[in-house]
Amino acid sequence: EVQLVESGGTLVNPGGSLRLACAASGFSFSDAWMNWVRQVPGKGLEWVGRIKSKSDAVTTDYAAPVRGRFTLSRDDSKSTLSLQMNSLTPEDTAVYYCTTEQQLIGGLDVWGQGTTVTVSS
Amino acid sequence: SYELTQPPSVSVSPGQTASIACSGHKLGDKYASWYQQKPGQSPVLVIYQDTKRPSGIPERFSGSNSGNTATLTISGTQPMDEGHYYCQAWDSSAGNVFGSGTEVTVL
Repeated sequence: EVQLVESGGTLVNPGGSLRLACAASGFSFSDAWMNWVRQVPGKGLEWVGRIKSKSDAVTTDYAAPVRGRFTLSRDDSKSTLSLQMNSLTPEDTAVYYCTTEQQLIGGLDVWGQGTTVTVSS
Repeated sequence: SYELTQPPSVSVSPGQTASIACSGHKLGDKYASWYQQKPGQSPVLVIYQDTKRPSGIPERFSGSNSGNTATLTISGTQPMDEGHYYCQAWDSSAGNVFGSGTEVTVL
């Protein structure tokens, strides 16, 4: 079974840092392009960033609101995707989903259950 | 930046056809995808590459994309189709952009 399981979400103070993880199973993680998408409760979906596979040079792309503060990385040996979040603000409060992406044709086809990040003092 | 615009809500009677438009500059030159999200659940991909359905998605879901508008059509809408629907496309400057979302109500 193809599965993504996020973890690491918690309450953090403004200005703080947090690292989220996404454990993948049931597919060839090393070949997958992976994304993070977030959603403020009751609001729409917002793309955070993407990391391509090693064969595509592990290229990363970020949404403007998080560029320079967030970093995507991957450990193919552990089938794990990570999101390092620094300089957090209350506007980063959201449910964070990791997803797979169908290369070149688009479509985020597998989603995790999400992990909740709350930035508040 | 790149933006995708959707109507906030669409209402449809059971068994009728619901159409949701997604507008963006030269969207027809990009691949559009659509997602269904029900309360308390993660989004589910229902259309990708403009017109294709993933395995397990009912045939009543179809898509098109031309010019500046992509459209998701639900034929023979069922009560289980209620939820929020989001379009999405990749833009070389903005990344994976999502539409604002449309709430579908089956009355």
